[in-house]
Amino acid sequence: EVQLVESGGGLVQPGGSLRLSCAASGFTFSSYAMSWVRQAPGKGLEWVSTISGSGVSAYYADSVKGRFTISRDNSKNTLYLQMNSLRAEDTAVYYCAKESENWGGSDYWGQGTLVTVSS
Amino acid sequence: EIVLTQSPATLSLSPGERATLSCRASQSVSSYLAWYQQKPGQAPRLLIYDASNRATGIPARFSGSGSGTDFTLTISSLEPEDFAVYYCQQRRNSYSFGQGTKLEIK
Repeated sequence: EVQLVESGGGLVQPGGSLRLSCAASGFTFSSYAMSWVRQAPGKGLEWVSTISGSGVSAYYADSVKGRFTISRDNSKNTLYLQMNSLRAEDTAVYYCAKESENWGGSDYWGQGTLVTVSS
Repeated sequence: EIVLTQSPATLSLSPGERATLSCRASQSVSSYLAWYQQKPGQAPRLLIYDASNRATGIPARFSGSGSGTDFTLTISSLEPEDFAVYYCQQRRNSYSFGQGTKLEIK
């Protein structure tokens, strides 16, 4: 059974940093691209970043480019999102998601971790 | 940046009725479009990928169609568990989501 469990969320001040983790199990982690998607309170979904299975290629939304870094440790079956220079508008539930084999969609999702940026 | 516009914002229907949800892209995304369902307090669930392919375990009452800039998600006969918010996502140029359509019980 595929499982994705996010951790690392919490309250952080504007300008601060936070690192999210996503522990994966139930599939061959290194064979699949992974993504982060966020959802501000009461709002819609926003794609944040995607990384290839090998970790060589990474893609970012313009809203986080230069501030967030996606990475993965395939030996630990773990996905990361390093978030720097956080802003109030980064407040959201952050989901990690597994990409399908042909990159056609995100076929498994974690339950999310809440990040609140506030002074 | 490719912008996706979903319509209507809210759709009010009764169980057993047919639901038709629309997603329009600001430029062609070919068939690189997915649909998701999200219920309150839950993570999204993949319904359709590559515009018209049902994901694993998705009931046959869900179908997707379209290519280029105009896409449709159809639910042939609504079940009580289908009332939720639906999002389209393009994967042609980076990724982006539509703003969502809320399907509510009439």
